Amino acid sequence: ETGVTQSPTHLIKTRGQQVTLRCSSQSGHNTVSWYQQALGQGPQFIFQYYREEENGRGNFPPRFSGLQFPNYSSELNVNALELDDSALYLCASTWGAGTSGANVLTFGAGSRLTVL
Amino acid sequence: KQEVTQIPAALSVPEGENLVLNCSFTDSAIYNLQWFRQDPGKGLTSLLLIQSSQREQTSGRLNASLDKSSGRSTLYIAASQPGDSATYLCAVNSGYSTLTFGKGTMLLVSP
Repeated sequence: ETGVTQSPTHLIKTRGQQVTLRCSSQSGHNTVSWYQQALGQGPQFIFQYYREEENGRGNFPPRFSGLQFPNYSSELNVNALELDDSALYLCASTWGAGTSGANVLTFGAGSRLTVL
Repeated sequence: KQEVTQIPAALSVPEGENLVLNCSFTDSAIYNLQWFRQDPGKGLTSLLLIQSSQREQTSGRLNASLDKSSGRSTLYIAASQPGDSATYLCAVNSGYSTLTFGKGTMLLVSP
């Protein structure tokens, strides 16, 4: 059983550019969530995808967007990068996204984005 | 809106000490609470998960308790070791498998 894998592990962009981060879910998982962790802070929920549809979003602007593919892998896209977007971006997967909330998330190692 | 607070923000102890990390949350309507470990620049490692119907969970030298009605959880680490040095994060699941995290407690265990 494979875990959650993310790519790239590190990348550097300049302000105004666009970035795409990728995540492969753990085998058997159909729900993917993305979190942003700024330096010295706890992770903050960006959004969640369940069966290729966004079914939850945190307090992030529309320039943060995502996709989930039929194989349940996912992308996080950020347009018009700002300096404050510099952070560790964490992907997590689980099975199901109903109201039970009892499913355990499995996190990837993260992609560290630096915006200059 | 759920808010999670962790105290202390940082803790430095000599090897061998027992220690307690605290987590509080504002909305008691949670499904579960999870403690994570994060090494510098790395991802999250799940340590313990407590479902809302449970009072505590144990794994090795770690014990986590949950008092949902008062909005509190503690992580107890027995006989601390230098390898325990890391940031410990508390997160609550209020539904739809989304987590609200605290800012973490940075632990340093010196030999």
